[in-house]
Amino acid sequence: GENVEQHPSTLSVQEGDSAVIKCTYSDSASNYFPWYKQELGKRPQLIIDIRSNVGEKKDQRIAVTLNKTAKHFSLHITETQPEDSAVYFCAAASGGYQKVTFGTGTKLQVIP
Amino acid sequence: NAGVTQTPKFQVLKTGQSMTLQCAQDMNHEYMSWYRQDPGMGLRLIHYSVGAGITDQGEVPNGYNVSRSTTEDFPLRLLSAAPSQTSVYFCASSLSQTNQPQHFGDGTRLSIL
Repeated sequence: GENVEQHPSTLSVQEGDSAVIKCTYSDSASNYFPWYKQELGKRPQLIIDIRSNVGEKKDQRIAVTLNKTAKHFSLHITETQPEDSAVYFCAAASGGYQKVTFGTGTKLQVIP
Repeated sequence: NAGVTQTPKFQVLKTGQSMTLQCAQDMNHEYMSWYRQDPGMGLRLIHYSVGAGITDQGEVPNGYNVSRSTTEDFPLRLLSAAPSQTSVYFCASSLSQTNQPQHFGDGTRLSIL
């Protein structure tokens, strides 16, 4: 089955700096890569996703890049703000039944 | 729309007891799934369903049963609770087409004593 590895497990940045979270996947058939943000005690919520026919996608301060050859994808957050502090999960999905495999999460702390 | 609704929010069980975690969605989503979330392990898929009457196992199905009699509801049953099943459980749903984001419920925090 699919295996998704996520690094780092914790990340501290100063407010205004950039944060980068990296994930690798094992199944070359995976074709959908969502990122979720989970605040403490809350549900995971989608922040951005990318499909395998696209190399990069941006949404304001958030961007995701995908390298299918190397089987890795990354989340980039620019101009970080304290409200960006949360746990971020990457995921990979393949097939029509959407079996989604999640990474183990990155706890991001933005220091004011 | 209420989205994905899970009940109860909290539950404490004794080892060996059984219970059902409820999940309902009002978005007419075909795909529904159950995850458990444990510290340092992310979200792991327990069972999923691609439509009424169709279910399949995920990564960690042992000790859990599911059924899908309607599009809206996807209950998760613990047959004989064990301390290893102490976790936070999330239900999620999405459209049936491929590559669609999942919408999560608020979760059920379950403790097995």
